[in-house]
Amino acid sequence: SQTIHQWPATLVQPVGSPLSLECTVEGTSNPNLYWYRQAAGRGLQLLFYSVGIGQISSEVPQNLSASRPQDRQFILSSKKLLLSDSGFYLCAWSVWAGLDTQYFGPGTRLTVL
Amino acid sequence: QQQVKQSPQSLIVQKGGISIINCAYENTAFDYFPWYQQFPGKGPALLIAIRPDVSEKKEGRFTISFNKSAKQFSLHIMDSQPGDSATYFCAASKNAGGTSYGKLTFGQGTILTVHP
Repeated sequence: SQTIHQWPATLVQPVGSPLSLECTVEGTSNPNLYWYRQAAGRGLQLLFYSVGIGQISSEVPQNLSASRPQDRQFILSSKKLLLSDSGFYLCAWSVWAGLDTQYFGPGTRLTVL
Repeated sequence: QQQVKQSPQSLIVQKGGISIINCAYENTAFDYFPWYQQFPGKGPALLIAIRPDVSEKKEGRFTISFNKSAKQFSLHIMDSQPGDSATYFCAASKNAGGTSYGKLTFGQGTILTVHP
């Protein structure tokens, strides 16, 4: 069966510090991968998606970036965090070819102080 | 045209009652409509999903009703239980053929509270 991992589970960072969140998927090959952000009490905002190694598409301009160094690894990064980057970050995967169902990871709670 | 509008924002139901959450969309190219359930501090989990070739899909106490002409779909939770208390999100996506890559457009969520 497929499993998706995210770490860390929680993170408190000062403004201006760098960020690296990691997501890995097990039990499937060549998945589509997604990064979402969920602000408190709000819906899910798609940040990035990837259909293959090194292929990243950005949905929302911001100071975040994403990379996919391996088939089942997706990384969300920032060089300098802003207060507005606080939120709940979710990674998701779907079967290659973009078939509809997305499966979410447990999320990372990021607080920028 | 990519929006999915969800209502109500919050819903309080007594145990045993029926919870109804509604969503409306504009893009007629959408052809997949899932509902996700999210507990506090957890990632959303797929609850049930429907495609527009059927008007209703039932899985246990959860039913999706779909009205293609009205571009609306709803989630009905029968015999609501305190354990159903969570945030529910509707979503929609276009056929993955082409450049959509199965990207989901989410509604804003409904916080459901079921009182014992």
